[in-house]
Amino acid sequence: AQSVTQLDSQVPVFEEAPVELRCNYSSSVSVYLFWYVQYPNQGLQLLLKYLSGSTLVKGINGFEAEFNKSQTSFHLRKPSVHISDTAEYFCAVSRTSYNTNAGKSTFGDGTTLTVKP
Amino acid sequence: EAGVTQFPSHSVIEKGQTVTLRCDPISGHDNLYWYRRVMGKEIKFLLHFVKESKQDESGMPNNRFLAERTGGTYSTLKVQPAELEDSGVYFCASSQVGGARETQYFGPGTRLLVL
Repeated sequence: AQSVTQLDSQVPVFEEAPVELRCNYSSSVSVYLFWYVQYPNQGLQLLLKYLSGSTLVKGINGFEAEFNKSQTSFHLRKPSVHISDTAEYFCAVSRTSYNTNAGKSTFGDGTTLTVKP
Repeated sequence: EAGVTQFPSHSVIEKGQTVTLRCDPISGHDNLYWYRRVMGKEIKFLLHFVKESKQDESGMPNNRFLAERTGGTYSTLKVQPAELEDSGVYFCASSQVGGARETQYFGPGTRLLVL
């Protein structure tokens, strides 16, 4: 089984400041890693995902995340945030599999990022 | 292209009543997933359809929950009878291809409150 811990439930930052949203996971098998964002009254939208290869993954809206296997972490970063980045962010993992019938994800509790002017 | 849609957006019912949630996936997406978020906690997997077949229903909490996807298009999730602990946000997601590597596209969710 897999589990995901998002270390901060709330992260307030000022506009144009850097931000890091922390995510640790636990799994006895290899996993793929994902970050999603949910803006108010919208569905979850994929920001980025790590499947294999380079441990630094770049996503949409200027976000990036680094996979650290030894630390079992996948922290999300942005060098300069905007007011529009205010949203809830979810880290998720899926067991690695090429089976097209597998696909369920395990999510963390979410981190609310609030960007203040 | 329309995204994943869910209906209703909100539902308030009394304990013991029945509620049916609907999800319309992106056209052509064979894979459809249901998830639930209770009390602001983690989003938990409920089940996975491939076309009209239930591929994985390991997350369904009990037999008060019934999911269907007749014809392999839209899906319904019925809760009967509803209990207080069923309150939460129910998300639907779809993907064209199945598998853990594939991007799932989420709907906005249905917010269910059981009183």
